[in-house]
Amino acid sequence: SYVLTQPPSVSVAPGQTATITCGGNNIGSKSVHWYQHKPGQAPVLVVYDDSDRPSGIPERFSGSNSGNTATLTISRVEVGDEADYYCQVWDSSGDHTYVFGTGTKVTVL
Amino acid sequence: QVQLQESGPALVKPSQTLSLTCTVSGGSFSSGRYYWSWIRQPAGKGLEWIGRIWTSGSTTYNPSLKSRVTISVDTSKSQFSLKLSSVTAADTAVYYCARDLNKDYFDYWGQGTLVAVSS
Repeated sequence: SYVLTQPPSVSVAPGQTATITCGGNNIGSKSVHWYQHKPGQAPVLVVYDDSDRPSGIPERFSGSNSGNTATLTISRVEVGDEADYYCQVWDSSGDHTYVFGTGTKVTVL
Repeated sequence: QVQLQESGPALVKPSQTLSLTCTVSGGSFSSGRYYWSWIRQPAGKGLEWIGRIWTSGSTTYNPSLKSRVTISVDTSKSQFSLKLSSVTAADTAVYYCARDLNKDYFDYWGQGTLVAVSS
């Protein structure tokens, strides 16, 4: 089965940039989507198809994808950005399943 | 605005069947353009996709759970349901329902419901 690996945690000061990676075998050939998940709330899609943002998501959230790594970048981090972030792909080559990354806890210092 | 709401028992005994329903409002449930999924998250762990159903009724399940999962749809009620049989403590989790606009990602999620498996 396809595996997506994320760093368990990222710490960042307000106003700085947070970078969250998502590693997978030839992930650059897939479309990667990112979710923000705060405790007790529904996950929120923040980036889809590698780098597109849904309506209402600030431009501070951006994504890229190449080779074996996809990246979510949060610029000018705010306290409200503190959350767990998950990458996700559709694995059409194997089990035909949605695959989530292991998740990254973003802490705003 | 599309809204999804999970409902069902919060406590299930080991070896029994977990049953949840997701009610969808604010959108065209039966338009045939959506996949409807169940996803879960055990405490302290990541998200795990359980399975999905197309509005017409065709299903796809996570191979790791396939033998115990059944997902069904009732378009007349704008609902879809999850049944997970032979549950154990490992099935204790927050269960979410979510929508995929046939684009391989989830644009709307429910708030989630905690289901505990315990005697």
